[in-house]
Amino acid sequence: DGGITQSPKYLFRKEGQNVTLSCEQNLNHDAMYWYRQDPGQGLRLIYYSQIVNDFQKGDIAEGYSVSREKKESFPLTVTSAQKNPTAFYLCASSILAGSSYEQYFGPGTRLTVT
Amino acid sequence: QQQVKQSPQSLIVQKGGISIINCAYENTAFDYFPWYQQFPGKGPALLIAIRPDVSEKKEGRFTISFNKSAKQFSLHIMDSQPGDSATYFCAASNRNTPLVFGKGTRLSVIA
Repeated sequence: DGGITQSPKYLFRKEGQNVTLSCEQNLNHDAMYWYRQDPGQGLRLIYYSQIVNDFQKGDIAEGYSVSREKKESFPLTVTSAQKNPTAFYLCASSILAGSSYEQYFGPGTRLTVT
Repeated sequence: QQQVKQSPQSLIVQKGGISIINCAYENTAFDYFPWYQQFPGKGPALLIAIRPDVSEKKEGRFTISFNKSAKQFSLHIMDSQPGDSATYFCAASNRNTPLVFGKGTRLSVIA
């Protein structure tokens, strides 16, 4: 099956702990993205990567970090510096970045920090 | 310049009716306008998309209307069904930039 996998589906952490969300794709896409979704806020871009070993900040990058060591993997770390980390996190990918290419989403990870 | 404004925030439509969701943008460099459908607890799925060289695109019961001069585009769902009940997001992008999303419209289709 081709697609984007995110694990785990639900994640619970104590405040002050860093947590890493997994995103893997087997679509051979160069571009990958992380979005955060809160009720009534739509999808807000955290980070994106157009190519291995390169990534750019999105609109709400503070308190998050990413790496792109492999084409198929783009993990997101939610650090203790993120003030309000509880949210639904969505990973996406496209063949390349930009308007010529459709963007596909994974199933999401719901993170709850208490 | 990067915003996409979506309305209404929520919409209730009778089964068989037409659902209409509107979006407006400011950045004239945007050249790709997709709509996504999201069911609760799931990731968004691409529904239909349009580029500014056409004013309308239809796929089954779903139609995008695009008004370049007004910088607006809309999604029409004909013969709305309870299974269409979901949250819909419009988005826009231009060359080499990620999608910018609207805040979403929660559609409820009632029998």
